[in-house]
Amino acid sequence: GAVVSQHPSWVICKSGTSVKIECRSLDFQATTMFWYRQFPKQSLMLMATSNEGSKATYEQGVEKDKFLINHASLTLSTLTVTSAHPEDSSFYICSARVGGELYNSPLHFGNGTRLTVT
Amino acid sequence: KNQVEQSPQSLIILEGKNCTLQCNYTVSPFSNLRWYKQDTGRGPVSLTIMTFSENTKSNGRYTATLDADTKQSSLHITASQLSDSASYICVVSKSGGGADGLTFGKGTHLIIQP
Repeated sequence: GAVVSQHPSWVICKSGTSVKIECRSLDFQATTMFWYRQFPKQSLMLMATSNEGSKATYEQGVEKDKFLINHASLTLSTLTVTSAHPEDSSFYICSARVGGELYNSPLHFGNGTRLTVT
Repeated sequence: KNQVEQSPQSLIILEGKNCTLQCNYTVSPFSNLRWYKQDTGRGPVSLTIMTFSENTKSNGRYTATLDADTKQSSLHITASQLSDSASYICVVSKSGGGADGLTFGKGTHLIIQP
């Protein structure tokens, strides 16, 4: 079945540094990928929609200069947390929909990245 | 406001027992409803997806029901196993919705005890 691979699975960084998280669709092409943030015992919160070949679309309240998204190919989207601070510590998850814009098509999630900023 | 409410928030049952998780939603216009299983520290994995016309859908020991009139769904787990311990998330898709068009519930945290 379709697989979305996310890397790294966990990362610890110092405050002020930047961290890049990769999301890959392994056996399908994804023109659109989604990035979420999840706090403990909370639901996934959509941060942004990553569009291949164009700018990402950010949800209200998400700083685009802090969370840089690049979707350079049909199988790879990256999220860079710039100048990370302890409050950025969270679980970041990406997803991609098999079948493009068909809303009934499956949404596959990566395994998430646990970011800890010290 | 589009909302998805799940209950109970957490549940502990003995291995081998059955349980039912609830999901109520106000998302409109409705497109489909999905149940996901999320193990701790992992991404969600799809269990079932149901559209407006579907009342019941099974996936092994998991059976989901949908009542589109009352906007309620349930996920029934039969003969629970230790590996069923996880969070179960109800996700409702809005017809023609922008972005991912999804509204996520907070999940039910299920613990299966031996």
